[in-house]
Formats: sequence, structure tokens, C-alpha cells
Amino acid sequence: EPEVTQTPSHQVTQMGQEVILRCVPISNHLYFYWYRQILGQKVEFLVSFYNNEISEKSEIFDDQFSVERPDGSNFTLKIRSTKLEDSAMYFCASIWTPSSGELFFGEGSRLTVL
Amino acid sequence: GENVEQHPSTLSVQEGDSAVIKCTYSDSASNYFPWYKQELGKRPQLIIDIRSNVGEKKDQRIAVTLNKTAKHFSLHITETQPEDSAVYFCAASMGNDMRFGAGTRLTVKP
Repeated sequence: EPEVTQTPSHQVTQMGQEVILRCVPISNHLYFYWYRQILGQKVEFLVSFYNNEISEKSEIFDDQFSVERPDGSNFTLKIRSTKLEDSAMYFCASIWTPSSGELFFGEGSRLTVL
Repeated sequence: GENVEQHPSTLSVQEGDSAVIKCTYSDSASNYFPWYKQELGKRPQLIIDIRSNVGEKKDQRIAVTLNKTAKHFSLHITETQPEDSAVYFCAASMGNDMRFGAGTRLTVKP
């Protein structure tokens, strides 16, 4: 069964450093998402991406965040200058179209900022 | 954007009892309402969903109901089993930004 894959599974970084989280969505899916989940809390929407541009973003997704689909398969989330409060599990998700139903999540990338 | 409220935040039931989790949403344009189950340290996984043109949907021991007028939807789990213990999230979507409720930690005691 096709699945969304994410790397790394866990990254530890120092505050102020740049981090790139990578995702490979399911191959025929057209819409891609990043969500964040702080330990024990809700799954928070960050951004959705379609046709090589951001289609929606939340108030969390400020200038420190960016997304990119550099090569037609990878979908990346960059955090320019990490803060302690960026520590969370970051989930990538993809869907064929928003009306098609299930959002498929990756296993997540745990980011720890020290 | 859409705002989804979910209650209760924790729910403990005896094995075999029913569990009900309720959600409300703010945007009347939302038309898709999935429920995800997340086990500890794992990704959220879809267990059931409902669209706005349907009032109720059932799949074995789980069912979801939707009241569009009141902007409420609920998850019902019957004959609960210990393996149902997890965090359950409701969500609402009208397009590109699916928003999740805060989650309900369900514990089923054997």
C-alpha cells in the first residue's frame, strides 16, 4: 500500500539553527500538507500546498516557515531559525484532491530544539 | 479559518460499554468530517468519515452522526474493547485546510 514517508524521524537541533524536514507524498496525490503536534496536544494545521504554491496557511505558519517542492517528489518544510517552542512532531500529509476523502499522514518527524 | 471544538478531553469507560465523543464546527461551508485515531507515538489514522450530504454512517462498532443545522457531529463506539484505547481527533474541512479538534483520550478498562 502506498504511504507518505518522512525523514528524519527525529532531529535534535540548537536554537537558532535552520531545519529542513522532508516528505515524499503518495505519488498520484496533488495536495500536500504540514501539520504540527506538540507533545500531548492537538494536531495543528500549518500549511497546504497545491500546484507548486501555498493554497492555505495558518497563523502558526509565519515568516520563519517555508515549504517547497524542489524536485517533483519531495515536499519540504524549512524552519529558518528554530525556537524552543518549535519542538514538536511534524506530520506531512497528502491527498489526491480535498474532496476525495482520507488525508494520508506520514509517520512524523520529531523535532527537538535545545 | 474553521474552528473545531471537541469534548470531552478524556473519557474512561468499562470494556463493553459505549463511548461518545462530540465535536462542533464553526464554518457552515465545511462539508467533510473525518475521525482519526492516534495511538501513542503513531500517526493519526482515519477510522470513519462523513460528508455533509449524509446524516449518519456506520461501520461495524463505530458510527458517526452529523447535524448540519447545529454544526455538531459525534463519534459513537459500541462494545468498546481495550484496543480502542487511543486519542481520537475529529476534523472538519471545506477545502484545503482540514482543522482538527483538540482530541479525546479514550481509555477502555478491561
